[in-house]
Amino acid sequence: KNQVEQSPQSLIILEGKNCTLQCNYTVSPFSNLRWYKQDTGRGPVSLTIMTFSENTKSNGRYTATLDADTKQSSLHITASQLSDSASYICVVTGNTGGFKTIFGAGTRLFVKA
Amino acid sequence: SQTIHQWPATLVQPVGSPLSLECTVEGTSNPNLYWYRQAAGRGLQLLFYSVGIGQISSEVPQNLSASRPQDRQFILSSKKLLLSDSGFYLCAWTPTSSYNEQFFGPGTRLTVL
Repeated sequence: KNQVEQSPQSLIILEGKNCTLQCNYTVSPFSNLRWYKQDTGRGPVSLTIMTFSENTKSNGRYTATLDADTKQSSLHITASQLSDSASYICVVTGNTGGFKTIFGAGTRLFVKA
Repeated sequence: SQTIHQWPATLVQPVGSPLSLECTVEGTSNPNLYWYRQAAGRGLQLLFYSVGIGQISSEVPQNLSASRPQDRQFILSSKKLLLSDSGFYLCAWTPTSSYNEQFFGPGTRLTVL
C-alpha cells in the first residue's frame, strides 16, 4: 500500500534553533517528492521538489534531502523564525500507470520566542 | 501569472442544507483541477479531480459531487450537508503534465451545525 509517514507529529523549538522533519514513504515506483508549508487556515505552498536523481534541494533556510534507496526524506530548517510556525507536509507522487499523489499528515511546527 | 481563487472563505451551514463552493483559475488553460478536504489536524484527502471540462473522477464515495462547467472553473456541491462534511476545503491546479507541483487556493472553512 502506498503510504507517506511523517515524524514527529508536532514539534516546539526556540527561535533561532535548527530542526529536522522526517518523511518516510512506500510509494513505488517513485516520481517526485515535494515539501509544502501550510500556514494555519491557508492553502499549502511549495518549498521544494525533488526527483529520483536529486538528493538535496535548498530554498533559503529550508534544505530538503532525499534518499531514494531507503525511501526517506528530511526537511531541515536553519535559524528558525517565528514565521516558520506552520504545518510542513511531505507529498510523494508515484508513477503507477497513472500518477498517484499521496499526502503525509504533516508535522506541526511551533517556533517560540 | 497564474492565480487560483476560492469562495467563500468561510461558511457556516445547517445540517441538511445544500452546498456550493467555487474555484476558478486564471492565467492558464486546460489545467488539471483538484478538490481536497482537510479535517482538523489531519492530512489532505483528495475528493475529486478533473482533467477537462465535464470530466470528473471521484476518489472517495461520499455526500459530495463536483462539476467542471468551464475549463477553469471547478465546483464542489452537496444536496444535503452532513455534520461530517465540516472541514477545510482546498482547490488546487496543475499544468496538464502530472510531474508538476500542485498550486493551492486559499481554502474554504466549512462548519456544518
